[in-house]
Amino acid sequence: SQKIEQNSEALNIQEGKTATLTCNYTNYSPAYLQWYRQDPGRGPVFLLLIRENEKEKRKERLKVTFDTTLKQSLFHITASQPADSATYLCALDTGSYGKLTFGQGTILTVHP
Amino acid sequence: DAGVTQSPTHLIKTRGQQVTLRCSPKSGHDTVSWYQQALGQGPQFIFQYYEEEERQRGNFPDRFSGHQFPNYSSELNVNALLLGDSALYLCASSGRFVGSYNEQFFGPGTRLTVL
Repeated sequence: SQKIEQNSEALNIQEGKTATLTCNYTNYSPAYLQWYRQDPGRGPVFLLLIRENEKEKRKERLKVTFDTTLKQSLFHITASQPADSATYLCALDTGSYGKLTFGQGTILTVHP
Repeated sequence: DAGVTQSPTHLIKTRGQQVTLRCSPKSGHDTVSWYQQALGQGPQFIFQYYEEEERQRGNFPDRFSGHQFPNYSSELNVNALLLGDSALYLCASSGRFVGSYNEQFFGPGTRLTVL
């Protein structure tokens, strides 16, 4: 069966460190993989998209890698800040008009 | 640009009732997707509307139906509400595909509680 898993429900790190979140999937052939941020009571906010033929994408302090052989994506936040505390969601898009399949999310808490 | 807007913000219903949720997409967007997000879970795709037609659908029963209007706004209707329908309902809009992917913009959601 198809499955998307984010490796931990919660991640706690100290300010200034790098946060690394993992997204694994099985029985999918995604054309794109996306990462979203969600704050409590709010809708998800798009952060980064990576295509199946790309290995890495960066945006400011954010970096995403995509390994279609391992069926895994890693999401990194460098020099983390308390304001980065939120739930982070990975989402697969198989190219079917943007229908997204989400993981369950990882709650990141950055301590001052 | 107001972005994606949804109404109402919160709603309380009882089992067996029917509910209608509304969504206005971001300016320039013509595609609206609806998602259900249970507490502590990721959003689950319900269906997507484009050119006033349901283009694709997730694994949700027929109690969930929708509509898209000529101005691209959309409604989600849920009949015969069950306790398990309690969730945050999210609307996402995107623009027309022009050879490249268009990111989806999510609204703030409608929190539905079924008692």
